[in-house]
Amino acid sequence: GQQVMQIPQYQHVQEGEDFTTYCNSSTTLSNIQWYKQRPGGHPVFLIQLVKSGEVKKQKRLTFQFGEAKKNSSLHITATQTTDVGTYFCAVTNQAGTALIFGKGTTLSVSS
Amino acid sequence: DVKVTQSSRYLVKRTGEKVFLECVQDMDHENMFWYRQDPGLGLRLIYFSYDVKMKEKGDIPEGYSVSREKKERFSLILESASTNQTSMYLCASTLAGAGQETQYFGPGTRLLVL
Repeated sequence: GQQVMQIPQYQHVQEGEDFTTYCNSSTTLSNIQWYKQRPGGHPVFLIQLVKSGEVKKQKRLTFQFGEAKKNSSLHITATQTTDVGTYFCAVTNQAGTALIFGKGTTLSVSS
Repeated sequence: DVKVTQSSRYLVKRTGEKVFLECVQDMDHENMFWYRQDPGLGLRLIYFSYDVKMKEKGDIPEGYSVSREKKERFSLILESASTNQTSMYLCASTLAGAGQETQYFGPGTRLLVL
């Protein structure tokens, strides 16, 4: 079935360093969503990308959708301890009825 | 704000018991979903529903069933709980058009089957 690969699985950084997580698909995507799950919490929607080459920013977070609409990235500039959590990408299944989630990247930040 | 609630945050059951997990949303969303989340495996879709009394299998429906008698409520049923069903269960809802719409998640139910 349709899958989306997300790397890395884990990332540890020092506070102030940058962080990037990547999602890759073998098929062209109609859109991609990103979610954040804090430790002990539930996933919370961050953003949706729809257009080829789209770049969106939310403060220190930059989201990109590849030109071929097969990959996406989330980049955090100058991480803070509040950025700790697991970041998931999610893509629409072929039937257009549900989302398929990547396995997530768990970010830890030490001060 | 959308609110999705789940009946329990923590649940301990014995092997063979019938388990009901309930999810309620207050935003008149058409679509509701049940996932389980396990370390290293991410979120896996168990079942979803796009209307009252309608249900569709997700990626891992075996050992589970669901019920949607009212629009706001979506129940996940473990007919005979087994230890490999120990997991975090997350419910989510969206407006119609699930592929494009934001999913709103409940707080999750952490189920331990002994």
